[in-house]
Amino acid sequence: GQQVMQIPQYQHVQEGEDFTTYCNSSTTLSNIQWYKQRPGGHPVFLIQLVKSGEVKKQKRLTFQFGEAKKNSSLHITATQTTDVGTYFCAGRTGSARQLTFGSGTQLTVLP
Amino acid sequence: KAGVTQTPRYLIKTRGQQVTLSCSPISGHRSVSWYQQTPGQGLQFLFEYFSETQRNKGNFPGRFSGRQFSNSRSEMNVSTLELGDSALYLCASSFDREASPLHFGNGTRLTVT
Repeated sequence: GQQVMQIPQYQHVQEGEDFTTYCNSSTTLSNIQWYKQRPGGHPVFLIQLVKSGEVKKQKRLTFQFGEAKKNSSLHITATQTTDVGTYFCAGRTGSARQLTFGSGTQLTVLP
Repeated sequence: KAGVTQTPRYLIKTRGQQVTLSCSPISGHRSVSWYQQTPGQGLQFLFEYFSETQRNKGNFPGRFSGRQFSNSRSEMNVSTLELGDSALYLCASSFDREASPLHFGNGTRLTVT
């Protein structure tokens, strides 16, 4: 079945440092979505990427979708304490259509 | 617009019992998915319903079942509870099954003792 791997599992950064999480799929994805879950909260949708090589930005967050549509990354520039949480990627294949989530990267930002 | 509503928020059950969790999706959303979240396993897909039909099922035993009603509300049932079923159960709704984002509820925290 479809598998989506995400690394690293944990990341501690000093406030102001950059952060990147990577997502890799065993199969080609029709699209990929990113979610953020704050401690004690539920996942909240951030963005969706559809096209090969697509890059999207949301303020300090940059999302990329690989050329082969099998990998993706989320990069946060100059982290802030408000960025704390777990970031999940979720990929959808064209046939199964179900959304398979990566294992998540738990980000801790030290003030 | 009201968000996804899950009830109850917390449940404590004993091994061997059964439990039913409820999810009311955002108005107009026809797809409802269920996920189990545990600290070590992340978000594990349980099943997806669209227009009252189960469209996908995750790798969970038959003790886990669900259904969707004509108003898109969904329930999931877990029978013969085991200690390992303790988890946060999240319901998410979306407008369609193609590319719409998932909108999650706050979840039901199930503890099995």
